[in-house]
Amino acid sequence: TQLLEQSPQFLSIQEGENLTVYCNSSSVFSSLQWYRQEPGEGPVLLVTVVTGGEVKKLKRLTFQFGDARKDSSLHITAAQPGDTGLYLCAGAGAAGNKLTFGGGTRVLVKP
Amino acid sequence: EPEVTQTPSHQVTQMGQEVILRCVPISNHLYFYWYRQILGQKVEFLVSFYNNEISEKSEIFDDQFSVERPDGSNFTLKIRSTKLEDSAMYFCASSIFRGHQPQHFGDGTRLSIL
Repeated sequence: TQLLEQSPQFLSIQEGENLTVYCNSSSVFSSLQWYRQEPGEGPVLLVTVVTGGEVKKLKRLTFQFGDARKDSSLHITAAQPGDTGLYLCAGAGAAGNKLTFGGGTRVLVKP
Repeated sequence: EPEVTQTPSHQVTQMGQEVILRCVPISNHLYFYWYRQILGQKVEFLVSFYNNEISEKSEIFDDQFSVERPDGSNFTLKIRSTKLEDSAMYFCASSIFRGHQPQHFGDGTRLSIL
């Protein structure tokens, strides 16, 4: 069974600070997707990383896939209150049929 | 932007009753999925569906569950005899292909079993 562990579970920072969310597993994933989920809504895709060592940037968000494709990180630079939300990582197995989700990191950016 | 739509947004059902959750995936997508999220827990995979058949299912997806694509647009999840522990958010997702292609999620149906 593939498992994904996210850390921290909760992060509270001041506006303008940086933050990093980690997603770790002992299993290899063929790709990893990061989502953001608002209360009462479904996960909204932020990015997909596929290649080991890959780095993708989405404005102030930087996503990295580990070289061994077992871990990933999300780094937010100069966080803003609009970044507040639940961030989820999800890994796709070799068959690509299903996503294994992490438990989520709840981020609170205080003005 | 195309999106996955789910109905109803909230379903309240008596234990033992059948329930059907409906989804309209993104129109050019070929792979369809159901996930569930019990309150306070992780999102869990239930089933994937391609070319009118199940391609993978989890241990959760037992004989009480079934999926169907009754026409060219809808994708449904049926629970035959609901149990209290079926109470959860159920999310439908779709992707163009499997593997590296991202899955796009609907806003979910909150299923409450009384």
